[in-house]
Amino acid sequence: EIVLTQSPGTLSLSPGERATLSCRASQSVSNNYFAWYQQKPGQAPRLLIYDASTRATGIADRFGGSGSGTDFTLTISRLEPEDFAVYFCLQYANSPLTFGGGTKVEI
Amino acid sequence: QVVLVESGGGVVQPGRSLTLSCAASGFTLSRNAMHWVRQAPGKGLEWVALISSDGSIKHYADSVKGRFVISRDTSDNTLFLQMSALRTEDTALYFCARGRQWLLDYWGQGALVTVSS
Repeated sequence: EIVLTQSPGTLSLSPGERATLSCRASQSVSNNYFAWYQQKPGQAPRLLIYDASTRATGIADRFGGSGSGTDFTLTISRLEPEDFAVYFCLQYANSPLTFGGGTKVEI
Repeated sequence: QVVLVESGGGVVQPGRSLTLSCAASGFTLSRNAMHWVRQAPGKGLEWVALISSDGSIKHYADSVKGRFVISRDTSDNTLFLQMSALRTEDTALYFCARGRQWLLDYWGQGALVTVSS
């Protein structure tokens, strides 16, 4: 199975700053079938980015995804107060689907 | 809008069975694949099972194969996860999620299953 390693585990930033989150795969993710999600306590995870770089419906353009092969990045250009949450990655190219361990973005 | 609501969680003894339900609204189960994903306390997410849009294909994680069964009732627009021979390591928050093929696009808030004697 493809193992996804997210870094850093925690990112301490202030509103207005730029956040860069990384996810590295143990083998190449074909077709860039790679997604990013946001999760807040007590809420359902929300899809932000799919196919590595396509924003999901209704997602603000401050969220951007990039990368291919084994290295993928989620960038939040200017953090808003509501962006402080846990972010995790998913590869859906191979079965079983696998997730990264998550990055917590905190104030 | 798409809404998924899980139910049926609770405390169960090892070796016993439990069935989770996921009520879907805002879309039709027969047009989408559906998944179950779980998150053990303090751990990351683990994909559990998939049922295809026509219900003919089912896939399972090795950790639950032979013990869990995914199914659906299209007349009621409800997804199920029948869990048997439960183990303490099955303790987790269980999410249902809509699939756009293998991509999970909408998730529920989860149902907590605790396996303990």
